[in-house]
Amino acid sequence: DADVTQTPRNRITKTGKRIMLECSQTKGHDRMYWYRQDPGLGLRLIYYSFDVKDINKGEISDGYSVSRQAQAKFSLSLESAIPNQTALYFCATSAWTGASTDTQYFGPGTRLTVL
Amino acid sequence: QKEVEQDPGPLSVPEGAIVSLNCTYSNSAFQYFMWYRQYSRKGPELLMYTYSSGNKEDGRFTAQVDKSSKYISLFIRDSQPSDSATYLCAMSDFSGNTGKLIFGQGTTLQVKP
Repeated sequence: DADVTQTPRNRITKTGKRIMLECSQTKGHDRMYWYRQDPGLGLRLIYYSFDVKDINKGEISDGYSVSRQAQAKFSLSLESAIPNQTALYFCATSAWTGASTDTQYFGPGTRLTVL
Repeated sequence: QKEVEQDPGPLSVPEGAIVSLNCTYSNSAFQYFMWYRQYSRKGPELLMYTYSSGNKEDGRFTAQVDKSSKYISLFIRDSQPSDSATYLCAMSDFSGNTGKLIFGQGTTLQVKP
């Protein structure tokens, strides 16, 4: 079984709809992240969470919200979807060792299309 | 100007070629430099990382960091069709234990048999 799972894998929705993307992990990591990937723009950080009670905005948080329901679950919501939120969304997790690089482990992605 | 710039390619090479992938950056506080590989319809996975300046080798892959020029490279020797993927550079200063990574745009590589 995959360590980081995302549901759904694909979603087509209409402008104005509320959408939730879910992420679960079995790696036991405290830190979780949401990114979006667009052609020519690479990965951009939306929100990140260092534990259940610690949630932080990333580079492009406008139009998005998140919920950390448990250590293993981190959800991303689009309250009112718009077409320019069409993108590939990735969840990632990492452990904090305090001594070396913070490797991030990515899920398989959710392809979201907003019509 | 983006903090990290990476030529998106696409880059197409014959099997066995040496591939050079590069990123430039503007933030002199970056200390950790990583390369992620992303296969089609998959999430990125860490390929290599280096700390500060210098070289690091792992099999056919060599990561190089030149902090004085704010330039990092990934070399792939004897490239194989299985190396066909998008390669993303990523960097962090890890100040305040944020663990935040800044990614380049990614370079798409195709290795032809």
